[in-house]
Amino acid sequence: SYELTQPPSVSVSPGQTASITCSGDKLGNRYVYWYQQKPGQSPTLVIYQDKKRPSGIPERFSGSNSGNTATLTISETQAMDEAEFYCQAWDSSTVVFGGGTRLTIL
Amino acid sequence: EVQLVESGGGLVQPGGSLRLSCEASGFTFSSYWMGWVRQAPGKGLEWVADIKQDGREQHYADSVKGRFAISRDIATDSVFLQMNSLRTDDTAFYFCARESGVPSLGRGSYSFDSWGHGTLVTVSS
Repeated sequence: SYELTQPPSVSVSPGQTASITCSGDKLGNRYVYWYQQKPGQSPTLVIYQDKKRPSGIPERFSGSNSGNTATLTISETQAMDEAEFYCQAWDSSTVVFGGGTRLTIL
Repeated sequence: EVQLVESGGGLVQPGGSLRLSCEASGFTFSSYWMGWVRQAPGKGLEWVADIKQDGREQHYADSVKGRFAISRDIATDSVFLQMNSLRTDDTAFYFCARESGVPSLGRGSYSFDSWGHGTLVTVSS
């Protein structure tokens, strides 16, 4: 079965740029999606089809996907960005999530 | 405004059954794939199942195949998850989610663009 690997945690200072990676075999050949989940809340889609932002998601959130790695980049990070982030892709007709990355704003 | 409201969670013994419901509003329910995603307490997201607009195609995670069944009712704009032979590792928050994508690009173009708040299922003796 297909697997997506994320680092357990990423830390960044306020105002700096955070990069969260998601790795999988030939991941660049698939669309990747990113979700943000704050404590006690349901997930929110922040990037779809590798690099598109849903309405209401700040321009500070961007995505890329090439080779075996997809990256979610959050520029000018703020305290409100602190959350768990999950990548997601499809394996045939089934959905695969990465294990999640805890973003901490120091 | 898109709203998804889950119900039906609770405490059940191992081997028991439970039926979750998700009532949708604020969009044309019959135009969207719908799915269930679960999250064990303190753990990550795990996709469970999804169902096509007309209800004639369903897909399941290997961990629930043969035990869970997803269905939908366009009369009530609801999607259901019938869970049988429940195990302790089925304990989780169960989220209902709407899927959006581009049909011409295939299922790989679909994402979960709206989520409910979830309902907790606890399997314990």
